[in-house]
Amino acid sequence: DGGITQSPKYLFRKEGQNVTLSCEQNLNHDAMYWYRQDPGQGLRLIYYSQIVNDFQKGDIAEGYSVSREKKESFPLTVTSAQKNPTAFYLCASKDRDVGEQYFGPGTRLTVT
Amino acid sequence: KQEVTQIPAALSVPEGENLVLNCSFTDSAIYNLQWFRQDPGKGLTSLLLIQSSQREQTSGRLNASLDKSSGRSTLYIAASQPGDSATYLCAVRPYGGATNKLIFGTGTLLAVQP
Repeated sequence: DGGITQSPKYLFRKEGQNVTLSCEQNLNHDAMYWYRQDPGQGLRLIYYSQIVNDFQKGDIAEGYSVSREKKESFPLTVTSAQKNPTAFYLCASKDRDVGEQYFGPGTRLTVT
Repeated sequence: KQEVTQIPAALSVPEGENLVLNCSFTDSAIYNLQWFRQDPGKGLTSLLLIQSSQREQTSGRLNASLDKSSGRSTLYIAASQPGDSATYLCAVRPYGGATNKLIFGTGTLLAVQP
């Protein structure tokens, strides 16, 4: 069964702690993306990666970091520098030829 | 700067009704437009992808149209069912640039009443 998995589904952290969200895909897609979704707002791009060992900042990268050591994996770290980290985080990947983006089930992060 | 707007923000219809969801964008220089469905607390499910050279795409009871020159897309849902209740998002991929990122609207929350 091909798809994108994100874990965990729910994550709770205390303010000041770093936390890493997992994203794995077995679709053999080159490009992967992290979006953030807040109530009443559209999805906003945090980071993206077109190929292994390369990634670029999106529109709201401050306070986040990523790595892309394997084609299948694109973990996102929410650092203590992110001022408002509580949100729903969505990972996506894209087939280079078709251009359609596929999304994972999301991780809801709550920081108190 | 590309902006995507979806109106209405919420819509309630009785079961069996045909309905249209609207999406507008400010810059016609797009590579494609994608419609998604999102159930509460879940990820996005891709419904239809329309390339810039296409006018419409169909999948089952869904039909999406694209008018690039006027900056509009519509998602037509025929014979709506309670299971169609969800938030529907449209997103455009701007032409050019290296990101291949999507720019999203804020969605239309659809409720189909049995």
